[in-house]
Amino acid sequence: QKEVEQDPGPLSVPEGAIVSLNCTYSNSAFQYFMWYRQYSRKGPELLMYTYSSGNKEDGRFTAQVDKSSKYISLFIRDSQPSDSATYLCAMKKWGGKLQFGAGTQVVVTP
Amino acid sequence: DARVTQTPRHKVTEMGQEVTMRCQPILGHNTVFWYRQTMMQGLELLAYFRNRAPLDDSGMPKDRFSAEMPDATLATLKIQPSEPRDSAVYFCASGNRGEETQYFGPGTRLLVL
Repeated sequence: QKEVEQDPGPLSVPEGAIVSLNCTYSNSAFQYFMWYRQYSRKGPELLMYTYSSGNKEDGRFTAQVDKSSKYISLFIRDSQPSDSATYLCAMKKWGGKLQFGAGTQVVVTP
Repeated sequence: DARVTQTPRHKVTEMGQEVTMRCQPILGHNTVFWYRQTMMQGLELLAYFRNRAPLDDSGMPKDRFSAEMPDATLATLKIQPSEPRDSAVYFCASGNRGEETQYFGPGTRLLVL
């Protein structure tokens, strides 16, 4: 079983809707949590970074970490067609390697 | 706008040939990572360097893959001999120790026939 689980989707939503993405993990030592966005045929780009538990907001994006449940989420408000991409969660413990989820493909339809 | 660059962007080769991929990390970053991405396995870490020294290459098939950092501005990943199962997108990423974030290049899309 992988340390990080992520539903590959695809997840299709209409423009303007809220996109809700999540990952679960098994290693309680993970402290650093990230979300990357990857457009087709491009490299992953860092979207959100959170240390330990809590929420972080950046514009239309909100990242949540629930360490007690070993569960992280990414919400995208007022979704746009330009948000169509694959979203990868990633996490690591101090001194450890970054572990990626499989990625969730999101399609925002106009 | 600082970014990681990779060359070539695309490579088609025949089985048995040597493949060399190059990466220029973001200036000032001291850690460089090589990843491979496939549909089946997702993103896999192959190797990483800090201050040009290899720290971990446990994700790399040792018999055919090699990674080096000849200087602080260049990292290379070589496959010799290449096999069809090596077909994938290879990403380089860079970052700094103490900062947990990594910045990815655009990738080299490799097809081995």
